[in-house]
Amino acid sequence: EIVLTQSPATLSLSPGERATLSCRASQSVSDYLAWYQQKPGQAPRLLIYDASNRATGIPARFSGSGSGTDFTLTISSLEPEDFAVYYCQHRSHWPPTFGGGTRVEIK
Amino acid sequence: EVQLVESGGGLVKPGGSLRLSCEDSGFSFSDYTMNWVRQAPGKGLEWVSSITNYDYIYYADSVKGRFTISRDNAKNSLYLQMNSLRAEDTAVYYCARNLVLQGVSVYFFDFWGQGTLVTVSS
Repeated sequence: EIVLTQSPATLSLSPGERATLSCRASQSVSDYLAWYQQKPGQAPRLLIYDASNRATGIPARFSGSGSGTDFTLTISSLEPEDFAVYYCQHRSHWPPTFGGGTRVEIK
Repeated sequence: EVQLVESGGGLVKPGGSLRLSCEDSGFSFSDYTMNWVRQAPGKGLEWVSSITNYDYIYYADSVKGRFTISRDNAKNSLYLQMNSLRAEDTAVYYCARNLVLQGVSVYFFDFWGQGTLVTVSS
């Protein structure tokens, strides 16, 4: 099974700052990677699929990049509602697996 | 509007059983692959099981032989029968729909229910 490692575990930033989150795969997943946002007490929300495609209704401040084993989620300017936990997930090999998450907290 | 509503969670003793349900609306349920994904308290996400629109079924190794996924397209409902429950099965269980890209179902999850909590404890 492919292991996804997210870093950092916690990111402390202020509103308006740029957030850069990393996801590294234990082997190539091509561009078959997604990013989700999860707020406390809520279900995850799909943000990005296939590395760089925004899901329906996702604001343009969210962008994804990368391929192979190294991926990045960038939030260009943090809004108050963006403070949450973010997970990456691949669909390259069976089974689909998730990373351990990065918490973006208010500094 | 797409809606997925789970039910059936609760407190159960180790070795016990529980059946989860997910009632779906706002989309053509029978056309979609559906999944169960779980999240232990304070932990990350774990895919548990999938059933395709052709009734092909897949399980995570951690639940194989103990859990059974099924669907009833007439009732727009997804189920998860959980037997021989263990403490490590304690989690919020979400039902989630596969994303369809250009007519192809892929294992990303574009709609999720609100989750139902299963607690396995004596």
